[in-house]
Amino acid sequence: NAGVTQTPKFQVLKTGQSMTLQCAQDMNHEYMSWYRQDPGMGLRLIHYSVGAGITDQGEVPNGYNVSRSTTEDFPLRLLSAAPSQTSVYFCASSQDSRKRDATNEKLFFGSGTQLSVL
Amino acid sequence: AQSVTQLGSHVSVSEGALVLLRCNYSSSVPPYLFWYVQYPNQGLQLLLKYTSAATLVKGINGFEAEFKKSETSFHLTKPSAHMSDAAEYFCAVSEMDSSYKLIFGSGTRLLVRP
Repeated sequence: NAGVTQTPKFQVLKTGQSMTLQCAQDMNHEYMSWYRQDPGMGLRLIHYSVGAGITDQGEVPNGYNVSRSTTEDFPLRLLSAAPSQTSVYFCASSQDSRKRDATNEKLFFGSGTQLSVL
Repeated sequence: AQSVTQLGSHVSVSEGALVLLRCNYSSSVPPYLFWYVQYPNQGLQLLLKYTSAATLVKGINGFEAEFKKSETSFHLTKPSAHMSDAAEYFCAVSEMDSSYKLIFGSGTRLLVRP
């Protein structure tokens, strides 16, 4: 198993450009999410999905779109990049979002995408 | 709303010394609590988690954390620091009915001096 795969690892954009950050997992996980990591602010939840066809907003959704057409993929789209979106982006997944017993659950993280918007 | 506060953005200890990383949470319902570690240029890895079973939780690499409801705390400890423990540590909270949605603290960078 490859786990959670994010591409690209690095990206530089100009203000106003659009792009899609890719995230794929091969563990048949129901739950997938996107976080951004900024110095001194930890990780903040952007969007998440509890299954194919279902998405919802996290703490900081503005400027980002997501879709979940398959269980495996959860792309994050920046429609018009802004310098404030310069950050490291992490995708994460976990097995079963509806379980009430989280004893054996954990989030699996990708290795991140470092995005700079000039 | 849930929140997590990690006291100290940087903690420096000598090799062999006690590691104590502090985490306080705010939640209106019984929470699940987590500690994650991030090594340079990597994603986050789960160290340990509390899910309302034993209040003292043991994790990987010799770390443990104790849930104290009266203090709303979930501090991370390790009796003896190793150089390989140098990393950034994140405390996180989620609600029991949405255990997959984690809210993270701002992180504490652990430095280990030889």
